[in-house]
Amino acid sequence: AQKVTQAQTEISVVEKEDVTLDCVYETRDTTYYLFWYKQPPSGELVFLIRRNSFDEQNEISGRYSWNFQKSTSSFNFTITASQVVDSAVYFCALSGLNTGGFKTIFGAGTRLFVKA
Amino acid sequence: SAVISQKPSRDICQRGTSLTIQCQVDSQVTMMFWYRQQPGQSLTLIATANQGSEATYESGFVIDKFPISRPNLTFSTLTVSNMSPEDSSIYLCSVSGTGPYEQYFGPGTRLTVT
Repeated sequence: AQKVTQAQTEISVVEKEDVTLDCVYETRDTTYYLFWYKQPPSGELVFLIRRNSFDEQNEISGRYSWNFQKSTSSFNFTITASQVVDSAVYFCALSGLNTGGFKTIFGAGTRLFVKA
Repeated sequence: SAVISQKPSRDICQRGTSLTIQCQVDSQVTMMFWYRQQPGQSLTLIATANQGSEATYESGFVIDKFPISRPNLTFSTLTVSNMSPEDSSIYLCSVSGTGPYEQYFGPGTRLTVT
């Protein structure tokens, strides 16, 4: 079964705190892709990162970093020194051949509140 | 990345009526997708639309309720038919990107059914 689990429904932090959003996935595919998307209050879905199953290198982009660990089927997302503008719902997602090719399965999302 | 627009951005509709949502892309794309996001929920794929063929619907979604057109490589429409309050959602169009398994999303259409 293909599945993405984001166990944290809501997280609330104070500005400048670091925060990690957890994502655990299940798949039978050997080749698959993992994604993170941001959905601000405006509703638009913003693509943040794509990682394929053969690349376990962690990635850093400014205040954002991602930790991909195949051994634990996790793809966690950390925001360093959070800002109010980071307040949004964040979705982890999975695509692979067993999801029908290009079909993307989304986790339930984690709502992040960053307070000033 | 592709630039995607959707019309209307939002609408309030009466029960029993139908609404057609348009999705326009600024470049030719092979695959287009329609998703539904019910209030406070995640995204659920409704169907995949390839140009020149019938849309492929996911379990729980049927063509009579959500007819889709894909007349060319830059445009698609989704109709929500015979609406009920349970159809109140954000409907998002997305397209395949240049990279494998890459998708870009439109701004969404917020539908409220009264």
